[in-house]
Amino acid sequence: AQSVAQPEDQVNVAEGNPLTVKCTYSVSGNPYLFWYVQYPNRGLQFLLKYITGDNLVKGSYGFEAEFNKSQTSFHLKKPSALVSDSALYFCAVTRRGNNNDMRFGAGTRLTVKP
Amino acid sequence: DAMVIQNPRYQVTQFGKPVTLSCSQTLNHNVMYWYQQKSSQAPKLLFHYYDKDFNNEADTPDNFQSRRPNTSFCFLDIRSPGLGDAAMYLCATSRDLTTGEGQPQHFGDGTRLSIL
Repeated sequence: AQSVAQPEDQVNVAEGNPLTVKCTYSVSGNPYLFWYVQYPNRGLQFLLKYITGDNLVKGSYGFEAEFNKSQTSFHLKKPSALVSDSALYFCAVTRRGNNNDMRFGAGTRLTVKP
Repeated sequence: DAMVIQNPRYQVTQFGKPVTLSCSQTLNHNVMYWYQQKSSQAPKLLFHYYDKDFNNEADTPDNFQSRRPNTSFCFLDIRSPGLGDAAMYLCATSRDLTTGEGQPQHFGDGTRLSIL
């Protein structure tokens, strides 16, 4: 079965600085990787995905993520953090042929300080 | 705008009293999911419907049931809620595989269930 790990429970950055939220995955075969963001008392909101092709994928709100097959990682990045980016971020994985079985990481709480 | 709508947003019930949570979608997606999320943890999949086909997760308690009367609506029934069932319940949808793999799931804003 596929799984993802988010090694950091909490990430703190200053506004205007670059941010990285880490994710590593484990799957047999080709992975489909996703990032979601969750604001308080809201559902998960899709940010971006990697299916195939370019390793660098761009998503909503200036976020991007880099797929690294050799390191089995899919870290979320943003060049300049905003206070409004403060939220809970989830990495998720499915695999080819089993699109409905999405596994989420434990989540990383991002806090951007003014 | 096309979306996933969950009602109510907050639900309070008594220990052991059956409760039903509802989800509707205007995305016309084939697949609908129910997740349980506790205290900012990862969402835990309870079950999903692929069209009318029901797929239960192996570790979902029998206390949790679901109904999907049509494409647009899906219900989560908790037959005898216990204190441990207090959580946020999230509904999600996705397109079926004929439109291509790697489809993201689209989530509603959840129903926060409290048990007295």
